[in-house]
Amino acid sequence: RKEVEQDPGPFNVPEGATVAFNCTYSNSASQSFFWYRQDCRKEPKLLMSVYSSGNEDGRFTAQLNRASQYISLLIRDSKLSDSATYLCVVMNTGFQKLVFGTGTRLLVSP
Amino acid sequence: EAGVAQSPRYKIIEKRQSVAFWCNPISGHATLYWYQQILGQGPKLLIQFQNNGVVDDSQLPKDRFSAERLKGVDSTLKIQPAKLEDSAVYLCASRNTGTDTYEQYFGPGTRLTVT
Repeated sequence: RKEVEQDPGPFNVPEGATVAFNCTYSNSASQSFFWYRQDCRKEPKLLMSVYSSGNEDGRFTAQLNRASQYISLLIRDSKLSDSATYLCVVMNTGFQKLVFGTGTRLLVSP
Repeated sequence: EAGVAQSPRYKIIEKRQSVAFWCNPISGHATLYWYQQILGQGPKLLIQFQNNGVVDDSQLPKDRFSAERLKGVDSTLKIQPAKLEDSAVYLCASRNTGTDTYEQYFGPGTRLTVT
């Protein structure tokens, strides 16, 4: 079983739609959680950290459920510029090592 | 502030040849990482340095891969000899361990094709 699992997609949505991505992780000792965004043929960039209480940044909302070992990302009012791959990332204890999921690809169309 | 620099951006070699990649992290970032990203997958950590010391190299194929960060600044990752399955993007990232954030900043990567 992979340490971080995501639905690879692609998710094809029209502009203005709301889309949600889910991610599960297997290591219950994981301490921090993130969503990174990766545009085609570019490097990953931090989108947002994920906190137990849930957090929001504009159109983006991230949630963490430690009991179920489940992380989600909600994008409201999708824009064409949101088209990218969204990587679910878990940080484990010890060396603060990041473990990346395979990513979920989002395509927003006009 | 300048970002993470990597070179070359692209490299094509034949199997069994050697190749080296260079990374210069953001100034002042003590932690440096090398990742391998195979097409369709997320980045996989190969090695992590803290200054000039190796913190984690558990996923580095040490029979063919080596890395160094001799002066605690820039770093080199080498593959010798390369195999077809080494075709991937090699990403370097750095982090400022003096802050509370765990954000890693990635360079543009080196796209390696082994034929």
